[in-house]
Amino acid sequence: DTGVSQDPRHKITKRGQNVTFRCDPISEHNRLYWYRQTLGQGPEFLTYFQNEAQLEKSRLLSDRFSAERPKGSFSTLEIQRTEQGDSAMYLCASPMGSATGELFFGEGSRLTVL
Amino acid sequence: GENVEQHPSTLSVQEGDSAVIKCTYSDSASNYFPWYKQELGKRPQLIIDIRSNVGEKKDQRIAVTLNKTAKHFSLHITETQPEDSAVYFCAPSGTSYGKLTFGQGTILTVHP
Repeated sequence: DTGVSQDPRHKITKRGQNVTFRCDPISEHNRLYWYRQTLGQGPEFLTYFQNEAQLEKSRLLSDRFSAERPKGSFSTLEIQRTEQGDSAMYLCASPMGSATGELFFGEGSRLTVL
Repeated sequence: GENVEQHPSTLSVQEGDSAVIKCTYSDSASNYFPWYKQELGKRPQLIIDIRSNVGEKKDQRIAVTLNKTAKHFSLHITETQPEDSAVYFCAPSGTSYGKLTFGQGTILTVHP
């Protein structure tokens, strides 16, 4: 039922490997958000895009993380040299309105780093 | 940055009872106050929100009240049902819309 698609839904990787997640947002919205949710915690803001421009990055986003939105449509989030602490659910979200803070989240990509 | 606290962290009620969850925040510039519901293994879903020019908003069995002076807002659920069982998050936001600061969550259990 979601208008935000994320892929893959689950990823298990070994420490040190690189992983990439993709988000296809609600098409008519020019903003796109990435959040991370660890077990038992609320989602934490990572970064957001307006069209292809990355406008804000959280300090949680270390140098091993990179996000892109090359054509202002889908977005990718890459984690290089994964660590066990990167294990989390990575959530993508689109705004629900043109001038509100309402977010529609995708089902997320769950990362497990062994 | 914004500091957000939710209380209680767990809440157990009998079906039909009311439930109240309180959220306190620190940033006086916050002007948008949503509540999200997250069922196990599912995405967070917006259930109700309020803006700083409004003190209370109601939608059927759920309501949100805001006290900007005291910097807190609350979620009220009346006539609780087992399907209300979930984790509830408050997520106040300020000038950068879409950038939400989530609380740590409240696990609500409604017993039949």
